[in-house]
Amino acid sequence: AQRVTQPEKLLSVFKGAPVELKCNYSYSGSPELFWYVQYSRQRLQLLLRHISRESIKGFTADLNKGETSFHLKKPFAQEEDSAMYYCALSPPGGSGNTGKLIFGQGTTLQVKP
Amino acid sequence: GAGVSQSPRYKVAKRGQDVALRCDPISGHVSLFWYQQALGQGPEFLTYFQNEAQLDKSGLPSDRFFAERPEGSVSTLKIQRTQKEDSAVYLCASSLVQGMWTEAFFGQGTRLTVV
Repeated sequence: AQRVTQPEKLLSVFKGAPVELKCNYSYSGSPELFWYVQYSRQRLQLLLRHISRESIKGFTADLNKGETSFHLKKPFAQEEDSAMYYCALSPPGGSGNTGKLIFGQGTTLQVKP
Repeated sequence: GAGVSQSPRYKVAKRGQDVALRCDPISGHVSLFWYQQALGQGPEFLTYFQNEAQLDKSGLPSDRFFAERPEGSVSTLKIQRTQKEDSAVYLCASSLVQGMWTEAFFGQGTRLTVV
């Protein structure tokens, strides 16, 4: 079964502390993995994609196929990072990637001053 | 418009009523997706269009849910005989092409409350 699990509903840290948002997935194949973010009163938007291997707003995520994990990390949290974060996978289709996304339940990151 | 637009933003329906939710994708975007997001949960896939063709409707929860995109642009999600469990935020997303990954852009969502 295709599934994305985010074990923490809420993660609360102080400004400047390291952050790790956990994501595990279940998929028999090679899906694409993403992190999406939703800031307060804004729409859902892409944060980063595992294939691009970029660092966006100081966040990175490494795909670990052995552990089927895609944890999101940032060394020093900022107050403006407070938001809801969703891990998602996109299964490859027969004619390429359709873009369909399977989301985890989401983790609220709260960065305290 | 600048992004994906959904209307109405909020809808209250009495149980048993039919509702229609509209999505205006970004102009020129080929792919269009509908998701349902229940309170405290992540979005769940409902259906997918490539232009006017509905290629995947595996996520529609029952035959009360129907989606269309007749001219390959605007899409409507219709829910017949609404039930309380249909209360959720309905998200629409569009992306430029199909067959290779391109970023999906989301609308603000329509919050449906069935009373």
